[in-house]
Amino acid sequence: GESVGLHLPTLSVQEGDNSIINCAYSNSASDYFIWYKQESGKGPQFIIDIRSNMDKRQGQRVTVLLNKTVKHLSLQIAATQPGDSAVYFCAAGGGADGLTFGKGTHLIIQP
Amino acid sequence: DAGVIQSPRHEVTEMGQEVTLRCKPISGHNSLFWYRQTMMRGLELLIYFNNNVPIDDSGMPEDRFSAKMPNASFSTLKIQPSEPRDSAVYFCASRPASGSRETQYFGPGTRLLVL
Repeated sequence: GESVGLHLPTLSVQEGDNSIINCAYSNSASDYFIWYKQESGKGPQFIIDIRSNMDKRQGQRVTVLLNKTVKHLSLQIAATQPGDSAVYFCAAGGGADGLTFGKGTHLIIQP
Repeated sequence: DAGVIQSPRHEVTEMGQEVTLRCKPISGHNSLFWYRQTMMRGLELLIYFNNNVPIDDSGMPEDRFSAKMPNASFSTLKIQPSEPRDSAVYFCASRPASGSRETQYFGPGTRLLVL
């Protein structure tokens, strides 16, 4: 089955800096990837997604990069703000199995 | 749109008691998912429904857990009898009938504590 893992449980960055959160997946058949943001006491919120036929997708201040060769994806957040402090999850999926979530990286924004 | 609605938001109960968690998916969504989140294991899929029919319940821990979806706008997750190791945050998520088939929208969760 699919397993998804994040490389660092905690990431601390200075306000205004860019941050990069990394994720690896195991199933080469996965064709859809999502990043979620979870703030304290809330459910995960959709940030951005990418399909396997792309290697980069940009949103507002966020960019997701997908490297299918090494089964790795990353979330880049530009000019981090205090409101970006949260736990970020990557999820991989494809077919009927739904999504498999990683354990999450806690992003801490230092003032 | 009100989003996915879950109740109660918090539940404290004693070991052995029955616990029922409730979920109202986003109107028009045809898939519903129940997840459990703990520090140790992260987000785990328990069960999901398509058009009110259970599709995959392989994530349900044991027979003490059961889930129903009697109609398109309501689902329950029941634990009977509850045990301290069931303490976790339980999320419900729904998925739209059209658009990105894997995009799931989460509710605020129910925080369960079994003493």
